[in-house]
Amino acid sequence: GENVEQHPSTLSVQEGDSAVIKCTYSDSASNYFPWYKQELGKRPQLIIDIRSNVGEKKDQRIAVTLNKTAKHFSLHITETQPEDSAVYFCAATGNTGTASKLTFGTGTRLQVTL
Amino acid sequence: KAGVTQTPRYLIKTRGQQVTLSCSPISGHRSVSWYQQTPGQGLQFLFEYFSETQRNKGNFPGRFSGRQFSNSRSEMNVSTLELGDSALYLCASSSQGWEQYFGPGTRLTVT
Repeated sequence: GENVEQHPSTLSVQEGDSAVIKCTYSDSASNYFPWYKQELGKRPQLIIDIRSNVGEKKDQRIAVTLNKTAKHFSLHITETQPEDSAVYFCAATGNTGTASKLTFGTGTRLQVTL
Repeated sequence: KAGVTQTPRYLIKTRGQQVTLSCSPISGHRSVSWYQQTPGQGLQFLFEYFSETQRNKGNFPGRFSGRQFSNSRSEMNVSTLELGDSALYLCASSSQGWEQYFGPGTRLTVT
């Protein structure tokens, strides 16, 4: 099955700096890669996603890049703010033919300090 | 549109008992997936239901089961509870199997 590795496990940045979280996946058949943000005690919230026919996608301060050859994808957050502090999870679909069975990375705890 | 809802939000059960959790998806969404979240194992896929049929299954024992009703609401059942079943159980709904939106979860504690 699919295996997703995520790094780093914790990340501390100063407000205004950029943050980058990286994930690698094992199944070359994976074709959908969402990112979720989970604040303490809250549900995971979909913040951005990318499909395998696209190399990069941007939404305001958040961007995701995908390198299919290397089987890795990254989340970039620019101009970080304290409210960006949360745990971020990457995920991949694996060879299931549907995006409803996601394999998640182990999460990155992002702390944005003033 | 109302979001995904789950009931109950908290449960305390004793080892050996069984439990049923409920999930109501976003209106119009036909796919419901269930995940278990624990500090040690992270987020793990349990199963997915689409149009009342189990479409995908994760690597959990047969004590974990689910079903989906004609209105897309879904339930999951865990029989013969073990201490290791203590977790946050999340369901997620999707319209055609792409973007998944999570509910608030049910926190299950097994004593």
